[in-house]
Amino acid sequence: EDQVTQSPEALRLQEGESSSLNCSYTVSGLRGLFWYRQDPGKGPEFLFTLYSAGEEKEKERLKATLTKKESFLHITAPKPEDSATYLCAVRVTDKLIFGTGTRLQVFP
Amino acid sequence: DAGVIQSPRHEVTEMGQEVTLRCKPISGHDYLFWYRQTMMRGLELLIYFNNNVPIDDSGMPEDRFSAKMPNASFSTLKIQPSEPRDSAVYFCASTLGGGPDTFGSGTRLTVV
Repeated sequence: EDQVTQSPEALRLQEGESSSLNCSYTVSGLRGLFWYRQDPGKGPEFLFTLYSAGEEKEKERLKATLTKKESFLHITAPKPEDSATYLCAVRVTDKLIFGTGTRLQVFP
Repeated sequence: DAGVIQSPRHEVTEMGQEVTLRCKPISGHDYLFWYRQTMMRGLELLIYFNNNVPIDDSGMPEDRFSAKMPNASFSTLKIQPSEPRDSAVYFCASTLGGGPDTFGSGTRLTVV
């Protein structure tokens, strides 16, 4: 069965304290791994797509990496405005299968 | 483009009533997805369409749920009759080919 697991469920960081979020997956026929950010009361907002092991993408303080079994979202020197829920999803055939997310809180 | 547009933003209804959620996808996108999000189960795919044709409805929880896409610019998700356990946030998303899904702002449904 196709499965996506994210850890930790919640993460509290001090402003400037770097950390990583994990997304592990078990799927047949991966057609891309996606990272989204979701703010309260809003729909998920697309961040990155990764397609093959070894691939990396960066955007401001965020960097996503991919191996054959997991992906990491590295957050460098986070700011309070990075507080959100981060969702990982894998595309299998035409549809996305989502993990349950990591709720990140960054305190000043 | 205004993005994916959903209506209403909030819906409160009584158990047993019919509820219709609406979605306008991004122009030119050929896939449309309906998701449901709850604290317990996270974001779940209910059904998706490709070029207005339903492809996979295996996520639709019961026969009380139905979805239509009469044309490329409009889709509905209907629940009849509604039950309290249907309370959730329902998202519509669209995409072109294998690209990332672009989500709407969601409809928060409360069934009392």
